[in-house]
Amino acid sequence: GDSVTQMEGPVTLSEEAFLTINCTYTATGYPSLFWYVQYPGEGLQLLLKATKADDKGSNKGFEATYRKETTSFHLEKGSVQVSDSAVYFCALSGGVRADSWGKLQFGAGTQVVVTP
Amino acid sequence: EAGVTQFPSHSVIEKGQTVTLRCDPISGHDNLYWYRRVMGKEIKFLLHFVKESKQDESGMPNNRFLAERTGGTYSTLKVQPAELEDSGVYFCASSQTVNNEQFFGPGTRLTVL
Repeated sequence: GDSVTQMEGPVTLSEEAFLTINCTYTATGYPSLFWYVQYPGEGLQLLLKATKADDKGSNKGFEATYRKETTSFHLEKGSVQVSDSAVYFCALSGGVRADSWGKLQFGAGTQVVVTP
Repeated sequence: EAGVTQFPSHSVIEKGQTVTLRCDPISGHDNLYWYRRVMGKEIKFLLHFVKESKQDESGMPNNRFLAERTGGTYSTLKVQPAELEDSGVYFCASSQTVNNEQFFGPGTRLTVL
């Protein structure tokens, strides 16, 4: 079945450091890929998405590129801020199976802590 | 526009008791999803409603879990009787169509003692 694997945390960084969170997936066909973020005390928010190979999703300085050849969707940000401290989830949905449409398959989440 | 709301935010119950979680989706969203995150692991899909119908309930762990969405508006998820392994954070999400962005609620943290 479909699955998402992302690097374990916590990841601790200093402000203005470069952030990478690795995410790889297993799925049949061409799923859509997502990064969600959960700030402390809040619900999940969609951070960015990509719906086909080579698409780049971007938002709030974060970027991720849909790489079908490596089945990856790594999240990057060039200069993190304290306010980026959160849990980040990689997810997929869709593909060739109709029963995959809609429901999201998540990774385990990566906690990121940014210190001043 | 109000977002997805969930009630309660926290619930602590003893093993064997019953708990009912509620989700109010964004108005006009036909699609409603329940997910669960247990012990810091991945968030897992539980089920999907389209209006009042269960489109996909393949993620429901067992028959102690009952989800309803009467009238196609809010939804409830009942756990009866609760077991220790049911502890976790239960998220609800809604979307206009199955291919649209899902908007998540803040979650209900359930602790079964």
